[in-house]
Amino acid sequence: GAVVSQHPSWVICKSGTSVKIECRSLDFQATTMFWYRQFPKQSLMLMATSNEGSKATYEQGVEKDKFLINHASLTLSTLTVTSAHPEDSSFYICSARVGLAGQETQYFGPGTRLLVL
Amino acid sequence: GENVEQHPSTLSVQEGDSAVIKCTYSDSASNYFPWYKQELGKRPQLIIDIRSNVGEKKDQRIAVTLNKTAKHFSLHITETQPEDSAVYFCASRNTGTASKLTFGTGTRLQVTL
Repeated sequence: GAVVSQHPSWVICKSGTSVKIECRSLDFQATTMFWYRQFPKQSLMLMATSNEGSKATYEQGVEKDKFLINHASLTLSTLTVTSAHPEDSSFYICSARVGLAGQETQYFGPGTRLLVL
Repeated sequence: GENVEQHPSTLSVQEGDSAVIKCTYSDSASNYFPWYKQELGKRPQLIIDIRSNVGEKKDQRIAVTLNKTAKHFSLHITETQPEDSAVYFCASRNTGTASKLTFGTGTRLQVTL
């Protein structure tokens, strides 16, 4: 399958700081990427859909000013958690869609574990 | 929006037995149903998927069935092995330009020796 990378794999930061997470499609171009958050022993919750060259679409309840998404190229999307707080600690996973319209498949990055102290 | 229910939440089987995980979805327009396997601390990995124009798909020990009328789909793992132990998520995707995956709540499968 297609390869999606994510960086960093884990990060520890102080409360109030901002953290940037990168998601890259390594062997394909992705016009659409997705950002998920997963708390321990829970399912994946979609935060936002990242569209290359346009604004991201956020799910209900997700603060767009807190979780800044930039999809500046066909192979890179970034998620910035601004003014992070302990409740933002979670496993953040990006995903990219690949394939022809109507036949798309979605692959996930390895995830970024964020711990806010 | 779409709602996906998944059962059971935990499943323990002996090595060599079969395991079945079931999901139901609410949006009749959904047309794509993937299954992901997630090991602890790792990314979800696509193990099999099925599209709405197909009723069954098989890949070695793994099979998925889809009943569009009843809006449910199931994952079947035969001859289970200890390395099958993981959390399995079903998902459904709606149609249209704003299509997205909606995930089930997950099933923790434990294959015992």
